[in-house]
Amino acid sequence: DQQVKQNSPSLSVQEGRISILNCDYTNSMFDYFLWYKKYPAEGPTFLISISSIKDKNEDGRFTVFLNKSAKHLSLHIVPSQPGDSAVYFCAATEKMEYGNKLVFGAGTILRVKS
Amino acid sequence: GAGVSQSPSNKVTEKGKDVELRCDPISGHTALYWYRQSLGQGLEFLIYFQGNSAPDKSGLPSDRFSAERTGGSVSTLTIQRTQQEDSAVYLCASSLVTGSPLHFGNGTRLTVT
Repeated sequence: DQQVKQNSPSLSVQEGRISILNCDYTNSMFDYFLWYKKYPAEGPTFLISISSIKDKNEDGRFTVFLNKSAKHLSLHIVPSQPGDSAVYFCAATEKMEYGNKLVFGAGTILRVKS
Repeated sequence: GAGVSQSPSNKVTEKGKDVELRCDPISGHTALYWYRQSLGQGLEFLIYFQGNSAPDKSGLPSDRFSAERTGGSVSTLTIQRTQQEDSAVYLCASSLVTGSPLHFGNGTRLTVT
């Protein structure tokens, strides 16, 4: 049973436009959420995170929104750049301060066209 | 500085053989994780080490899988009697302290023929 779901396997966006990547979760105990970015033949790299006490966290071109009642989060990239083309993984955990393991979604392939 | 280092980067083995995968975490990182990514799947948690505490082995798929972390640093993931379904990219990650984001290595691509 997938606790973290990324229902869009891929997304294609024009350079300069907004990319919106979505993620849904089922475990109501999750209280910390992260996005990772992965290029081919490399390990995932941490992008941005959000605690359940917030509904928005922004870092430069990247913003993560959390809707706890809907158990949904999204990553917005504005403006999208060709270098953003990668696989994006959503991850969630509970009690992050205790180092609990991250539960990952299956990933969304983002292609930014120039 | 140096990131998480994994070796080998690629491993092809015959079904039934044992394999060992190595992970060198970032120096000073106390937490170490093993994940694997099968084709078209997300990252699947395998095992977690934190300092001198007993590891969380809840993600290991069978008793053919084991891992150890010597001296609180280097970790080895061992798969005995490999099966074709073990083919995947095995990723190691470490974090400075409990609760900080994970830093991943580039993974070991294991192919069981």
